[in-house]
Amino acid sequence: GAGVSQSPSNKVTEKGKDVELRCDPISGHTALYWYRQSLGQGLEFLIYFQGNSAPDKSGLPSDRFSAERTGGSVSTLTIQRTQQEDSAVYLCASRRSGANTGELFFGEGSRLTVL
Amino acid sequence: GDSVTQMEGPVTLSEEAFLTINCTYTATGYPSLFWYVQYPGEGLQLLLKATKADDKGSNKGFEATYRKETTSFHLEKGSVQVSDSAVYFCALTSNRDDKIIFGKGTRLHILP
Repeated sequence: GAGVSQSPSNKVTEKGKDVELRCDPISGHTALYWYRQSLGQGLEFLIYFQGNSAPDKSGLPSDRFSAERTGGSVSTLTIQRTQQEDSAVYLCASRRSGANTGELFFGEGSRLTVL
Repeated sequence: GDSVTQMEGPVTLSEEAFLTINCTYTATGYPSLFWYVQYPGEGLQLLLKATKADDKGSNKGFEATYRKETTSFHLEKGSVQVSDSAVYFCALTSNRDDKIIFGKGTRLHILP
């Protein structure tokens, strides 16, 4: 597709359930980022994938959070045993390889509500 | 670690007013600096950037100058419009790694 695609756009779940959020980056973009956007908290870095390198997981808030990227393209963010504080918009972004231009292309996000 | 601090909002201005949104950063090395904008109902998009000291980024009437001596990258516009109402994020990326760090965002409301 032309842009970064995320699904689902909205997810309501019960506390304790697991959720999976999907990101389909722009074709050819080797770098992929996940961020969390909470009210009043801005954009919180979660995890970063670059090509075949080991991901930078330094932003994952707990071991309930994990992410993988298959075939260097689609990525899935998994949250296990969801808690109410996990409610936020989860944003995925991708960037082309090469020089560190820093321009990220963002999807429209997946809004997660944990009841 | 690297960090970005920007003024808290919301900022409310009348149309045609002068806008400044302050942004300062902490980083080792020589980061690149960015402003991203999120219009209502849309995804974040790059507004402007500067990759070295004294560079000025500009787009859509907005400007920001990379000031190494004050570690700042303030966003300015001479005459704002209602259509500029959005959330603005200051960000940096270091040349040590590819992690991109964002500030908390500043919500801007422009009144007609």
